[in-house]
Amino acid sequence: GQNIDQPTEMTATEGAIVQINCTYQTSGFNGLFWYQQHAGEAPTFLSYNVLDGLEEKGRFSSFLSRSKGYSYLLLKELQMKDSASYLCAVRDRSGGYQKVTFGTGTKLQVIP
Amino acid sequence: GAGVSQSPSNKVTEKGKDVELRCDPISGHTALYWYRQSLGQGLEFLIYFQGNSAPDKSGLPSDRFSAERTGGSVSTLTIQRTQQEDSAVYLCASSVTSGGAETQYFGPGTRLLVL
Repeated sequence: GQNIDQPTEMTATEGAIVQINCTYQTSGFNGLFWYQQHAGEAPTFLSYNVLDGLEEKGRFSSFLSRSKGYSYLLLKELQMKDSASYLCAVRDRSGGYQKVTFGTGTKLQVIP
Repeated sequence: GAGVSQSPSNKVTEKGKDVELRCDPISGHTALYWYRQSLGQGLEFLIYFQGNSAPDKSGLPSDRFSAERTGGSVSTLTIQRTQQEDSAVYLCASSVTSGGAETQYFGPGTRLLVL
């Protein structure tokens, strides 16, 4: 099975940088996703990592270390609109099939 | 261009009835995912289609759930003999992979309420 852990809640200040961590355990790792979800809305895809290293997309970056079962999402120059839940999800390929398991999400509150 | 669309946007049904949810992915996207999100809960993976490969159905909550993807495009998720615990938002996403990097696009979801 899979076990994905991320903090339940975080608070950060507008203009600052915040790092949301995600740790996972899986037998057939085949990619890690980060999503943003505002209350009452569908998730928005942020990033996909399958190789070790840092992927940067504007104010958002995602890092992966497969050997450590660890990823983080880095948000720079925080804006009030970044207040949302951030979901980490791991795709696993076991037994010839692929499935995706989500963490419970990290609710980020950006304060002035 | 057009994004992922889902229909209906809302569905209210009576316990025991069958429902069919539809997902139209972005043209050319070979991968399609179905997820479920119950009120106040996280996302639950249901099923994943990649090209013409047989999907893994082990994520489906029960044998009342089935999914098809015809012609590698439109997908339908069917729930037979609906139960109140099936009430949730059902989300579909399609994706494209370029240079080893996958990008997913979500539809707006279908809100299902089973009375």
